[in-house]
Amino acid sequence: AAGVIQSPRHLIKEKRETATLKCYPIPRHDTVYWYQQGPGQDPQFLISFYEKMQSDKGSIPDRFSAQQFSDYHSELNMSSLELGDSALYFCASSSRLAGGQDTQYFGPGTRLTVL
Amino acid sequence: AQSVAQPEDQVNVAEGNPLTVKCTYSVSGNPYLFWYVQYPNRGLQFLLKYITGDNLVKGSYGFEAEFNKSQTSFHLKKPSALVSDSALYFCAVRVSGGRALTFGSGTRLQVQP
Repeated sequence: AAGVIQSPRHLIKEKRETATLKCYPIPRHDTVYWYQQGPGQDPQFLISFYEKMQSDKGSIPDRFSAQQFSDYHSELNMSSLELGDSALYFCASSSRLAGGQDTQYFGPGTRLTVL
Repeated sequence: AQSVAQPEDQVNVAEGNPLTVKCTYSVSGNPYLFWYVQYPNRGLQFLLKYITGDNLVKGSYGFEAEFNKSQTSFHLKKPSALVSDSALYFCAVRVSGGRALTFGSGTRLQVQP
């Protein structure tokens, strides 16, 4: 079965640079979520989109922005990168056709290292 | 606000023995509860969920979990552990109507041969 695809898998950036992470949800999934997992920590919710509109917002810094496109893929844009942004960034997708009982399926993550 | 507690950083069990990974939650409203497993350098894999209905939920790879409303717990169990079950396990919760998952701090399961 098709899974959530994230690219790139690894990314190394310098401080103050920008980064763009991409997420391709499972086919026919209409909702995308972004999570950040710092070293040794649990995943923290950043933001989610449903049908290309932002639906929930978590602890996403103002330096970050995200959007969902017409083909349902999503991009997380990160600017003015800081050392503390080094983390594993997960994308998850789900389908609201499940009537609110949807399960989030996670991608393999993008490991961002800021030097 | 919703929260999840996993009181054990690590659980050690011998192969073939039963295992339990503990999880308690706090929400206002009806909880949707999930267990995910994370292998090194991998994403989170969905194991099972409780939405409504039977308190005992069966999931992937022989895992099951029991929802206990009075104790606000959702412990993960398996009758006979395998060495390949060694991984990091996360309990997560969201309320009906909400979307974002709140995760516990994770429990590292180590199954010794």
